[in-house]
Amino acid sequence: QSALTQPRSVSGSPGQSVTISCTGTSSDVGGYDYVSWYQQHPGKAPRLIIYDVSKRPSGVPDRFSGSKSGNTASLTISGLQAEDETDYYCCSYAGSYSYVFGTGTEVIVL
Amino acid sequence: QVQLVESGGGVVQPGRSLRLSCAASGFTFSSYAMHWVRQAPGKGLEWVAVISYNENKKYYTDSVKGRLTISRDNSKNTLYLQMNSLRTEDTAVYYCARDPHGGYGFFDYWGQGTLVTVSS
Repeated sequence: QSALTQPRSVSGSPGQSVTISCTGTSSDVGGYDYVSWYQQHPGKAPRLIIYDVSKRPSGVPDRFSGSKSGNTASLTISGLQAEDETDYYCCSYAGSYSYVFGTGTEVIVL
Repeated sequence: QVQLVESGGGVVQPGRSLRLSCAASGFTFSSYAMHWVRQAPGKGLEWVAVISYNENKKYYTDSVKGRLTISRDNSKNTLYLQMNSLRTEDTAVYYCARDPHGGYGFFDYWGQGTLVTVSS
């Protein structure tokens, strides 16, 4: 199972919006509505911020939103803040109780 | 509150074994599927294994099949990962994570991780 493809980095100024893409295949992203996104600060455990493509767990700001079209999922961060600067990973169910993560994206706040 | 605490990591020689533990608290452990996810130094996340709430189903990523075994003891609220025939490429921080979707969903709580270093 190959990792899902994410851009290495995206950047934006405070208050702007950035979007991270996550491209897979019809066997993972395109085949199931089980895409999730994780935020990970250096040296820390990942934190769930989006699940089932577009749902937000309680406590996650509504600045974070998710969507999917075909084999590509996206995470959008609106109203970018300094504390959003860190790494983000997508993950998709890939059938037969297997999962695949994305390659990871660093968000840079200019 | 939900807590997951991993232990058992360390430095081990190639070919040797190690057992990781993940102690769960703050929720009904026996009702949830659980996973192991790992992250090699400076690299991305990699899903390793999942076990159903009642231990009936266990699944692994291809690279660890036959060498790593996931198990659980619901009476002790503990998840395990038995790691045999370790390879240098198994070097990573190993996280346990809870799955509220029955094993085909997502990971809503994570432990802090335990580092496994395989080196001669």
